[in-house]
Amino acid sequence: EAQVTQNPRYLITVTGKKLTVTCSQNMNHEYMSWYRQDPGLGLRQIYYSMNVEVTDKGDVPEGYKVSRKEKRNFPLILESPSPNQTSLYFCASSSRTGFTYEQYFGPGTRLTVT
Amino acid sequence: GQQVMQIPQYQHVQEGEDFTTYCNSSTTLSNIQWYKQRPGGHPVFLIQLVKSGEVKKQKRLTFQFGEAKKNSSLHITATQTTDVGTYFCAGRIFSSGSARQLTFGSGTQLTVLP
Repeated sequence: EAQVTQNPRYLITVTGKKLTVTCSQNMNHEYMSWYRQDPGLGLRQIYYSMNVEVTDKGDVPEGYKVSRKEKRNFPLILESPSPNQTSLYFCASSSRTGFTYEQYFGPGTRLTVT
Repeated sequence: GQQVMQIPQYQHVQEGEDFTTYCNSSTTLSNIQWYKQRPGGHPVFLIQLVKSGEVKKQKRLTFQFGEAKKNSSLHITATQTTDVGTYFCAGRIFSSGSARQLTFGSGTQLTVLP
């Protein structure tokens, strides 16, 4: 089954404790992206990757890091989480960044930073 | 940066009534996508519009892309309880300075009252 998986699905942590949210897709997609969703703000892009070893900042990259060492994986790293990073996070992938390809979203990771 | 505004933020309708959500971009879009997110779920791709003035239909859903490629709408005829969820538009631009980034509107949360 074609899918995007994220782990963990739920995470409660404390300020400053480094964490990683994993994302993996089995569709051989080149393009992967991370979004955060907050009430009234919709989905805001954090980072995206056009392919292996190619990443770039989205609209709200501060406080986040990513890496793309393998095509299927795109982990999101919070080196020193803060309460304003409490949010619902989605990973997404698509086969191209061009004209006609839809994004497939993972199930989401709900992060709470206290 | 690019902005995609979406209205209304919330809409309550009686089952059987029609519903419309609107998106407006500050810049000309190369294409626009629409997604639906059920409560507690993740965004799911509905459709993509590419051409100026394009109209596409999916059963009771009608999608339009404006002539200037700066606005779009989603219209649902005779809503059903299965239409409940948040509808997002997402516009994509190409520019010399930035890569092919997808910018989401803030979404319209639809409630259908039985």
